[in-house]
Amino acid sequence: KNEVEQSPQNLTAQEGEFITINCSYSVGISALHWLQQHPGGGIVSLFMLSSGKKKHGRLIATINIQEKHSSLHITASHPRDSAVYICAAPYSGGGADGLTFGKGTHLIIQP
Amino acid sequence: DAGITQSPRHKVTETGTPVTLRCHQTENHRYMYWYRQDPGHGLRLIHYSYGVKDTDKGEVSDGYSVSRSKTEDFLLTLESATSSQTSVYFCAISESGRAGGEAFFGQGTRLTVV
Repeated sequence: KNEVEQSPQNLTAQEGEFITINCSYSVGISALHWLQQHPGGGIVSLFMLSSGKKKHGRLIATINIQEKHSSLHITASHPRDSAVYICAAPYSGGGADGLTFGKGTHLIIQP
Repeated sequence: DAGITQSPRHKVTETGTPVTLRCHQTENHRYMYWYRQDPGHGLRLIHYSYGVKDTDKGEVSDGYSVSRSKTEDFLLTLESATSSQTSVYFCAISESGRAGGEAFFGQGTRLTVV
């Protein structure tokens, strides 16, 4: 099984700060996923990336396949960015499909 | 938003009773997944399907069964609910397997077993 580790587990920052969330995984993968979960539940896919960097608005995701590491950055953070951010990698266990997930980073942006 | 609906959204049931959760999609995606989310564990794969009548086990499949008789519907059944199955259950869909396609999630079902 692919082991996915995220850091930090909790992060509180002031509005406007640059945010970085890190993710490492143990088994080589085809693509890594970043997800966002707001309080009350729904999970939204932010990025799926297999190399380099992707940008969507104020969110930037990077991945280094050789080092088995990915980062999610938020520029000019805003209170509405407060959420749990989860990285996920292919399960890679016994032929099973699906994703295996980090435990999430709980981000709070204070005004 | 991807067309994926879970029902019910909330359920309280008694220990030992059977429970079925439904995931319905309108995207015609081949792959469907059931995950559970628990504090301290994150999301974990229960079962998945790679086509009609094609299903397989995930990491935490004990006590659960699934069925997929139509492309659009994936059912998760707890044959005899236990308190350890109290959790939030998420369905997800994807066009591609091996996590090669973007994953779309339902809103979740909060199940409480008392």
